[in-house]
Amino acid sequence: AQSVTQPDIHITVSEGASLELRCNYSYGATPYLFWYVQSPGQGLQLLLKYFSGDTLVQGIKGFEAEFKRSQSSFNLRKPSVHWSDAAEYFCAVQKTSYDKVIFGPGTSLSVIP
Amino acid sequence: NAGVTQTPKFQVLKTGQSMTLQCAQDMNHEYMSWYRQDPGMGLRLIHYSVGAGITDQGEVPNGYNVSRSTTEDFPLRLLSAAPSQTSVYFCASSYPRTGANVLTFGAGSRLTVL
Repeated sequence: AQSVTQPDIHITVSEGASLELRCNYSYGATPYLFWYVQSPGQGLQLLLKYFSGDTLVQGIKGFEAEFKRSQSSFNLRKPSVHWSDAAEYFCAVQKTSYDKVIFGPGTSLSVIP
Repeated sequence: NAGVTQTPKFQVLKTGQSMTLQCAQDMNHEYMSWYRQDPGMGLRLIHYSVGAGITDQGEVPNGYNVSRSTTEDFPLRLLSAAPSQTSVYFCASSYPRTGANVLTFGAGSRLTVL
């Protein structure tokens, strides 16, 4: 069964600093990979997704993620964090488009002004 | 389009009571699913469905029942509520046929079991 780990429970960064959130998955083949964000008091929104092709994918709000097959990782990055990026970030994996979507435990991001 | 609609938004139950969380979508999405969100646990999949008449278990199905009689609706039933089922529940749907399979989430239902 596929699973997702997000090693960092909570991260604090200063506004303007770069950000990297880690995500590792366990699944033999290349799955579909997602990053979702949950802002305080708001719903869950897709940041970006990877299905195939270019291993560096761009998302909304200036985020990008890189798929590394050798490391079974799909880390999320942003070069300069804004205060509005403070939120909970979830990595998710899916074997095929009709299979279940499994989420990681999430990383809570705090941003210091 | 209303998207994914969950009702009720808030509910308080006593141990042993039953209830149904409703989920409806108007996007003709084949795939529907229920998650629960607890602090430090992320979103855990309860049940999911890939079409009317088809349901399957997720990571934490015990204590919950689902059915999918129509494409639009995917109710989640708690037959005998327990305090461990206190959580925020999210319904999500998608349209896998397009290959995108991006989940659209409802606003959530906060359930407290006393």
